[in-house]
Amino acid sequence: GQQVMQIPQYQHVQEGEDFTTYCNSSTTLSNIQWYKQRPGGHPVFLIQLVKSGEVKKQKRLTFQFGEAKKNSSLHITATQTTDVGTYFCAGPPREDSNDYKLSFGAGTTVTVRA
Amino acid sequence: KAGVTQTPRYLIKTRGQQVTLSCSPISGHRSVSWYQQTPGQGLQFLFEYFSETQRNKGNFPGRFSGRQFSNSRSEMNVSTLELGDSALYLCASSLAGIGGYTFGSGTRLTVV
Repeated sequence: GQQVMQIPQYQHVQEGEDFTTYCNSSTTLSNIQWYKQRPGGHPVFLIQLVKSGEVKKQKRLTFQFGEAKKNSSLHITATQTTDVGTYFCAGPPREDSNDYKLSFGAGTTVTVRA
Repeated sequence: KAGVTQTPRYLIKTRGQQVTLSCSPISGHRSVSWYQQTPGQGLQFLFEYFSETQRNKGNFPGRFSGRQFSNSRSEMNVSTLELGDSALYLCASSLAGIGGYTFGSGTRLTVV
């Protein structure tokens, strides 16, 4: 079945620095979704990328979908304490499949040193 | 608009008991998915319902079951609880199972 992997598992960042987290799927995805879960909270939808090579920005966050639609990345610039949390990527089923399971990666847990 | 509502927020149960968790999706959302989240295993898919039909099921034992009602509200049931069932159970709704999911705050189940 479909597997979604994320690296790194943990990211310790100095406030003000940049970092990138990566997501790789074992199968081609119809789109990729990113979620953020703050400590003690629940996952919150951030963005969905659909097109091959697509790049989207949300303030200091830049999301990219790979050309082969099997990988994605999230780049955060000038990290702030508000960026603390776990970032998940998720691969929804292909539109032509009967698999309605949204497969989540294990997440990248980000901590920030002030 | 109201978000996804899960009840109860916290539960403490004894081994061997059963439990029912409830989820009310966003109005108009017909797809409801359930996930188990534990520190070591991340978000594990339990099942997904759309218009009262279970469309997909994860790799959990038959003690885990669910259903969806005509108003899209969903319940999941865990019978014969085990210590390892202690987890945060999250419900997520979407329009049709494709597109961004909105999660509820979850039900934290502790089995003692």
